[in-house]
Amino acid sequence: EAGVTQFPSHSVIEKGQTVTLRCDPISGHDNLYWYRRVMGKEIKFLLHFVKESKQDESGMPNNRFLAERTGGTYSTLKVQPAELEDSGVYFCASSQRVWRGGYNEQFFGPGTRLTVL
Amino acid sequence: TQLLEQSPQFLSIQEGENLTVYCNSSSVFSSLQWYRQEPGEGPVLLVTVVTGGEVKKLKRLTFQFGDARKDSSLHITAAQPGDTGLYLCAGPSTSGTYKYIFGTGTRLKVLA
Repeated sequence: EAGVTQFPSHSVIEKGQTVTLRCDPISGHDNLYWYRRVMGKEIKFLLHFVKESKQDESGMPNNRFLAERTGGTYSTLKVQPAELEDSGVYFCASSQRVWRGGYNEQFFGPGTRLTVL
Repeated sequence: TQLLEQSPQFLSIQEGENLTVYCNSSSVFSSLQWYRQEPGEGPVLLVTVVTGGEVKKLKRLTFQFGDARKDSSLHITAAQPGDTGLYLCAGPSTSGTYKYIFGTGTRLKVLA
């Protein structure tokens, strides 16, 4: 079974440009999450989709970030316009719908390293 | 605000040595997970501990959840170069059980 995939693996853009990151979750996983790690900091939650609906976007930094999951399959995260502080590694994770035994196993993609110059 | 602090931040040891990594919080977590991350990859789940005082073993790795469910430890016996990586603990936020709080990470290097 294929794991979570993310594209691109690296992106280098200039301040003010737009970048779109893509995540393909594990097939059949209704839950999809975006996380981010900026240099020297811990991984932080950005938002959570259940199918195509945003369940929790409390971690989104500001309105320059837009996440979509049309059709409840893959998701995109657009940053427009990008700022220097947006640099970091963006991880996508997915999990099954069922909450098993009180916890939720999230499977992570390899991440997209974004560098804003 | 829930925080997970890991110690040590960095650890460099010789092959065959034992080590323990700690994950501490002032908050109670319903569960804690341990991940290992290697360069260019995402975190990979190693184990989930759910019950206070629980001990789980995964080959040479032993995970323990504190009785009060505020802390956890990872002990590696006879470390090998293949254990090298970033070890992360994480737990569900009280503000949203699908929202994970991650620890600061312990970067382990095992020298041959």
